[in-house]
Amino acid sequence: DAGVTQSPTHLIKTRGQHVTLRCSPISGHKSVSWYQQVLGQGPQFIFQYYEKEERGRGNFPDRFSARQFPNYSSELNVNALLLGDSALYLCASSGTSGSEQYFGPGTRLTVT
Amino acid sequence: GQQVMQIPQYQHVQEGEDFTTYCNSSTTLSNIQWYKQRPGGHPVFLIQLVKSGEVKKQKRLTFQFGEAKKNSSLHITATQTTDVGTYFCAGRTGTASKLTFGTGTRLQVTL
Repeated sequence: DAGVTQSPTHLIKTRGQHVTLRCSPISGHKSVSWYQQVLGQGPQFIFQYYEKEERGRGNFPDRFSARQFPNYSSELNVNALLLGDSALYLCASSGTSGSEQYFGPGTRLTVT
Repeated sequence: GQQVMQIPQYQHVQEGEDFTTYCNSSTTLSNIQWYKQRPGGHPVFLIQLVKSGEVKKQKRLTFQFGEAKKNSSLHITATQTTDVGTYFCAGRTGTASKLTFGTGTRLQVTL
């Protein structure tokens, strides 16, 4: 079975632009979480969706938003990009909202 | 807010030596998970601990959850070069969905 997939793998954007990152969970997993990982730090929780509903939100500004589709795939949107948004964005899926997370390879976002 | 700290930040050992990383939370946890992230890779789930005082073993890896459910440790016996990577603990409080990752311990193993 395929693992968690994310697209694109790399992305370069300019300050002020908008970006959409995509994630497909493991087949059968209904929960998707998004994390931001800055180099040298641990992943920081952004959102969790379970059964298409938002179940948790981390300490990120309203510029960050997400949604989950009926097929359980998910999008993370970031508006008005700042230089500090440069990071590895990780998507993780799990069977339930509280179980172990299976991470995708991530999207490396660079904001210039 | 909840903080999860790990020590040491970095450790360099020779192959065959033991290694331990410690994880401390500012709040009581409902469960704790451990992940390993290889250089350039993504976090990979290792184990979840739920019960106070729980000890679990996976081959050369031993995981402990403290009695107060505020700390945890990962011990690797006789390290190998394949153990290289950053080890993160990650905890949840109550029924919250938010998983808070620790600061991580980077392990380097040389021959």
